[in-house]
Amino acid sequence: DVQLVESGGDLIKPGRSLRLSCTASGFTFGDYTMSWFRQAPGKGLEWVGFIRSTLYGGTTEYATSVKGRFTISRDDPKSIAYLEMNSLRTEDTAVYFCSRGLGNVLVAVFDYWGQGALVTVSS
Amino acid sequence: QSALTQPRSVSGSPGQSVTISCTGTSSDVGAYKFVSWYQHHPGKAPKLIIKDVSWRLSGVPDRFSGSKSGNTASLTISGLHSEDEADYYCLSYVGNYAVVFGGGTKVTVL
Repeated sequence: DVQLVESGGDLIKPGRSLRLSCTASGFTFGDYTMSWFRQAPGKGLEWVGFIRSTLYGGTTEYATSVKGRFTISRDDPKSIAYLEMNSLRTEDTAVYFCSRGLGNVLVAVFDYWGQGALVTVSS
Repeated sequence: QSALTQPRSVSGSPGQSVTISCTGTSSDVGAYKFVSWYQHHPGKAPKLIIKDVSWRLSGVPDRFSGSKSGNTASLTISGLHSEDEADYYCLSYVGNYAVVFGGGTKVTVL
């Protein structure tokens, strides 16, 4: 069975950095695009960004709201995707989900999701 | 990119049908076949139920169906079950390798 487990969520002060991990199992991790999403308290889902498979260059795309502050990377041998978040703001407080994307270049469908990790940005 | 427009809530009795609309523009929903729908029970992992406007995923009950007309996509639940009570989100490709969600619709089974 496909499983995605996020970890690394924490309470952190504004301006600091935090790295989330998404550990995958049950599929050939290197063959897939991996994506991150978030849901702020009381709000809807928001796409954060994704990283293509290494075969397609491991290139990344980001939402405008996080571009330049967040970085997605991957470690295929460990089956882990990462979300590095810098210069965190209170409005980044959310549950962060990772997901597997279908597609190699244009990625618009996400078929498996983790249960999320809570990041709270507060002084 | 602005969020797609969904009703905040819909409700129905068991066995009734409900339809959730997802309205975008000619640059997103109207331009591409890449509209998908996700069911989210709070505290759990979101679940993909419909992709490419109307393709129902394996294992998803056939009471769930998707369609699109112009700039509006729709998800219909024909014959509500109590377990369908959840939040539902549409997602569309919007060009430049980006996607955007609708604001989400809470489905209540009365």
